[in-house]
Amino acid sequence: KAGVTQTPRYLIKTRGQQVTLSCSPISGHRSVSWYQQTPGQGLQFLFEYFSETQRNKGNFPGRFSGRQFSNSRSEMNVSTLELGDSALYLCASSLDGDRATYNEQFFGPGTRLTVL
Amino acid sequence: GESVGLHLPTLSVQEGDNSIINCAYSNSASDYFIWYKQESGKGPQFIIDIRSNMDKRQGQRVTVLLNKTVKHLSLQIAATQPGDSAVYFCAETGGDSSYKLIFGSGTRLLVRP
Repeated sequence: KAGVTQTPRYLIKTRGQQVTLSCSPISGHRSVSWYQQTPGQGLQFLFEYFSETQRNKGNFPGRFSGRQFSNSRSEMNVSTLELGDSALYLCASSLDGDRATYNEQFFGPGTRLTVL
Repeated sequence: GESVGLHLPTLSVQEGDNSIINCAYSNSASDYFIWYKQESGKGPQFIIDIRSNMDKRQGQRVTVLLNKTVKHLSLQIAATQPGDSAVYFCAETGGDSSYKLIFGSGTRLLVRP
């Protein structure tokens, strides 16, 4: 069974540009979460999608957005990039994210974004 | 590793010894806790989890202990191996209706041969 895949693995952008990152969850998984990882702030939750709906959002500015498609694949977009957006962006998928029976989140390898 | 902090607390152990990694969590209402392992260049990998109605859970070579009184979580690794060298994160669910994980800052484990 293939794991979570993220594309691209590495990306270099300049300030002011926008970027779109893609995540393909494990087959059958319907919940996709996004996290930002930086040396200073650690792993921080961005948002979570289930059945094409955003169920929860972390404390990030509106420049960070995402969406989920009917096949559960997800994309996140960052507009007007800032130097501080340089980070490893991780995607995680789980079966359904049911709070009553918490499902393990499987992480992808991440996309390393560098903003110059 | 490229994905973790430069100033993480580090635990250095001799190969074959037992390791204990500690974590203080933030929310007394959190009902689910997970330990993740992250190797350089990879995403976090699930190790073991525990629900708040338990105080101990064992896996293969790993044990998680939960002390809700002091909001403390620990991961014990038996007979530590070189392949255990990585950064370890604890995570909690926060206890609210959201679906997010709240991660600790991480501990780097170095296994000396």
